[in-house]
Amino acid sequence: DGGITQSPKYLFRKEGQNVTLSCEQNLNHDAMYWYRQDPGQGLRLIYYSQIVNDFQKGDIAEGYSVSREKKESFPLTVTSAQKNPTAFYLCASSTRSQGSTEAFFGQGTRLTVV
Amino acid sequence: GENVEQHPSTLSVQEGDSAVIKCTYSDSASNYFPWYKQELGKGPQLIIDIRSNVGEKKDQRIAVTLNKTAKHFSLHITETQPEDSAVYFCAASRRGSQGNLIFGKGTKLSVKP
Repeated sequence: DGGITQSPKYLFRKEGQNVTLSCEQNLNHDAMYWYRQDPGQGLRLIYYSQIVNDFQKGDIAEGYSVSREKKESFPLTVTSAQKNPTAFYLCASSTRSQGSTEAFFGQGTRLTVV
Repeated sequence: GENVEQHPSTLSVQEGDSAVIKCTYSDSASNYFPWYKQELGKGPQLIIDIRSNVGEKKDQRIAVTLNKTAKHFSLHITETQPEDSAVYFCAASRRGSQGNLIFGKGTKLSVKP
């Protein structure tokens, strides 16, 4: 099955801890993205990567970090510097074609700070 | 940068009626406009998209229209069914923006049987 897999589905974090959310895709897409979704809000871009070993900050990158060591994987670390981390996190991927930016999403990870 | 406004934030219709959701965008260079459907606890799923060289696109009960001059685009769902109930998001991106989509805040559609 081709697609994007996010894990875990639910994640609980104690205050002051770092946690890492996993995102893996087997669609052979060059570009990968992390979005944050809060209730009643649209999706806000945290980080994106157009190619292996390169990534760029999105609109709300503070308190987050990413790596892109493999084409298939784009893990997101929520650090203790993120003051309000409770949210639904969505990973997406797309082809790098300039004519098409169709993005496919994973099923999300719901992070709760306890 | 691009800004996408979406209206209404909630929409309730009777089964069989039509539903229309509207979005406006600010960047005249935007050229790709997808619509996503998100069911509770799941990731968004692409349902239809339109590019700026086309004014209208239809796929069974779903259609999208684009007015480049006015910088707005709309989603039309005809003969609504209870399974159409979900949150719908519009988005926009422009050539050269490296695929980054700017999303509207979503419309919660409820279809009452």
